[in-house]
Amino acid sequence: GENVEQHPSTLSVQEGDSAVIKCTYSDSASNYFPWYKQELGKGPQLIIDIRSNVGEKKDQRIAVTLNKTAKHFSLHITETQPEDSAVYFCAASYSGGYQKVTFGTGTKLQVIP
Amino acid sequence: GAGVSQTPSNKVTEKGKYVELRCDPISGHTALYWYRQSLGQGPEFLIYFQGTGAADDSGLPNDRFFAVRPEGSVSTLKIQRTERGDSAVYLCASSLSDNEKLFFGSGTQLSVL
Repeated sequence: GENVEQHPSTLSVQEGDSAVIKCTYSDSASNYFPWYKQELGKGPQLIIDIRSNVGEKKDQRIAVTLNKTAKHFSLHITETQPEDSAVYFCAASYSGGYQKVTFGTGTKLQVIP
Repeated sequence: GAGVSQTPSNKVTEKGKYVELRCDPISGHTALYWYRQSLGQGPEFLIYFQGTGAADDSGLPNDRFFAVRPEGSVSTLKIQRTERGDSAVYLCASSLSDNEKLFFGSGTQLSVL
């Protein structure tokens, strides 16, 4: 089955700086890579996703990149704000069917005002 | 409500007891998923429903776990003879159809004493 590794496990940045979270996946059949933000006491919320036919996707301060050959994908958050503080999960699945998503272990991001 | 609703938000039980966890998906969403999240980990897939049928229950850890969705809307996750290792947050998610993004509920925190 799919295995997703994520690092770092914790990340502290100053407000306004950028944050980068990196993930690798094992199953070459995976073609859908969502990123979730989870705040304390809440369920994960999808913030951005990318499909394997695309190398990069951007949405305001958030961008994701995908290297299919290396099986690497990354989340970039620019101009970080205190409300970006949360746990972020990368994930992978095969989107040909339903979303049996495999999650990474999470990165706890702290943005220091 | 607008989102996925899970009840109860917290459940404390004793080892060996039976518990039921309820999920109300977003109205009109045909796909429903259960995931389990242990402390400090990413969610892990348990089971997927399309309509009333469990299309994939490969993530259920053993036969003490069972889930139903009799009318294609509300789902109940049932755990028999609970064990301390069952303690986790049980998350429910729904999507409009198979290949659409997941919307997660806030989860049920299950504690087995």
